Amino acid sequence: GQQLNQSPQSMFIQEGEDVSMNCTSSSIFNTWLWYKQDPGEGPVLLIALYKAGELTSNGRLTAQFGITRKDSFLNISASIPSDVGIYFCAGQKRAGNNRKLIWGLGTSLAVNP
Amino acid sequence: NAGVTQTPKFRVLKTGQSMTLLCAQDMNHEYMYWYRQDPGMGLRLIHYSVGEGTTAKGEVPDGYNVSRLKKQNFLLGLESAAPSQTSVYFCATGSGDTQYFGPGTRLTVL
Repeated sequence: GQQLNQSPQSMFIQEGEDVSMNCTSSSIFNTWLWYKQDPGEGPVLLIALYKAGELTSNGRLTAQFGITRKDSFLNISASIPSDVGIYFCAGQKRAGNNRKLIWGLGTSLAVNP
Repeated sequence: NAGVTQTPKFRVLKTGQSMTLLCAQDMNHEYMYWYRQDPGMGLRLIHYSVGEGTTAKGEVPDGYNVSRLKKQNFLLGLESAAPSQTSVYFCATGSGDTQYFGPGTRLTVL
């Protein structure tokens, strides 16, 4: 099935550093979502984006809906140890009753205290 | 308000055995989904439902069946488990563009 291109695949950073990750697609999406998954848990929604060019923040996290509607970016500022986990992007085309998401393979983040 | 719950949390099956995974939600969402997550494969959609009494196939439906007899429950069945079905299974619910996930069921098929 279709998947989003999410990069980087993994990151190892020092506490306090900023982090950037992105998702790209050959298709246009109407919604972009960013999730975080902690070990042994289900993904948790971080940020939802609904409009091209939209920039939305959730604490130290900021995400943007690309103006081409084919990409999205997530930034984490001043990372802390609890930011460790896997970050997933997901896009939705929203056709009729179709509410299926297309997923990236995730970015695994490790933070060195 | 429990959100999305899944039972059981862990299960070990022998090849050929059957089992049912239960997902329950108290968020009054119309849409419910079953995913499996395997290392390096991300989240893959097995089946989904757009409302009570409806089901539809996702990306990897073979070997699984589902039922949505009540709006708040979505059941995933394995009729004859195979080792390839060893995975972590997540249920999710949604009312529109977002999905909210349960804690997962870790299934091992020997």
